[in-house]
Amino acid sequence: DAGITQSPRHKVTETGTPVTLRCHQTENHRYMYWYRQDPGHGLRLIHYSYGVKDTDKGEVSDGYSVSRSKTEDFLLTLESATSSQTSVYFCAISGGGLAQLGADTQYFGPGTRLTVL
Amino acid sequence: GENVEQHPSTLSVQEGDSAVIKCTYSDSASNYFPWYKQELGKRPQLIIDIRSNVGEKKDQRIAVTLNKTAKHFSLHITETQPEDSAVYFCAAGKSTFGDGTTLTVKP
Repeated sequence: DAGITQSPRHKVTETGTPVTLRCHQTENHRYMYWYRQDPGHGLRLIHYSYGVKDTDKGEVSDGYSVSRSKTEDFLLTLESATSSQTSVYFCAISGGGLAQLGADTQYFGPGTRLTVL
Repeated sequence: GENVEQHPSTLSVQEGDSAVIKCTYSDSASNYFPWYKQELGKRPQLIIDIRSNVGEKKDQRIAVTLNKTAKHFSLHITETQPEDSAVYFCAAGKSTFGDGTTLTVKP
C-alpha cells in the first residue's frame, strides 16, 4: 500500500461546515494528489503537490484548498462544505520513496467517504 | 484539456474468455497511459501501464496496446477468472481518467 493512510475514513457533516481530510505517507514520496470519485465516474483531480509547500490546482479545484507543510502530510480542506462535495476522496502518491517509484507511477490511499447533509 | 473516453461501460464474459477494454484520448502530447483495477469499496490499484514510446506491454494474462496515431489504447485480459471481476479505469497521465468499465466474469 506504499505506506499511505487517510483519515478519517468516513465522515458525515452538515452544509456550511469546514472539513479537513488528511493524507499521510511514510515512504518519502515526492508527489501527492487528491482526487474525488463519484458514482459511475472515474477519478477527478482536485489538487496536487510536487514538494513541501508546492501545490497546484487540478480539474475540479473550486471549493477546495490544500496544504503540505511536511513531506509526509497532504491536507485537503473544504472551507464550507456543500452537498455537491459528497463523494469518496482518494489520496495518491508518486515519485521516489522506498520503491523508487517513477513520477508517473501512482499508488492510492484507502479513501475517505464524505457525506455532506 | 485532455479528454478520455472508455468503452464499453459494462462487459460480461464467461470464465476463460478474453476481455478487451478500449480508451481514446484527445491530447497528442499525452505520453503515459496507466490502467487501474478497482474492486467494490476498495482503492484503485495500478495493474499495468504503457508509455508512448512502446506499442505493447504484457504482464502474464494482462496486456496493453497503444496506437499513438489513432490516439487509442486497449487493455486485454486473457483466460479471465472470476476474481478479475471489478471496475477497470484507463487514464491519460495522472489527471484524466475514463469513466470505468465494469467487468463481470461468470463462472
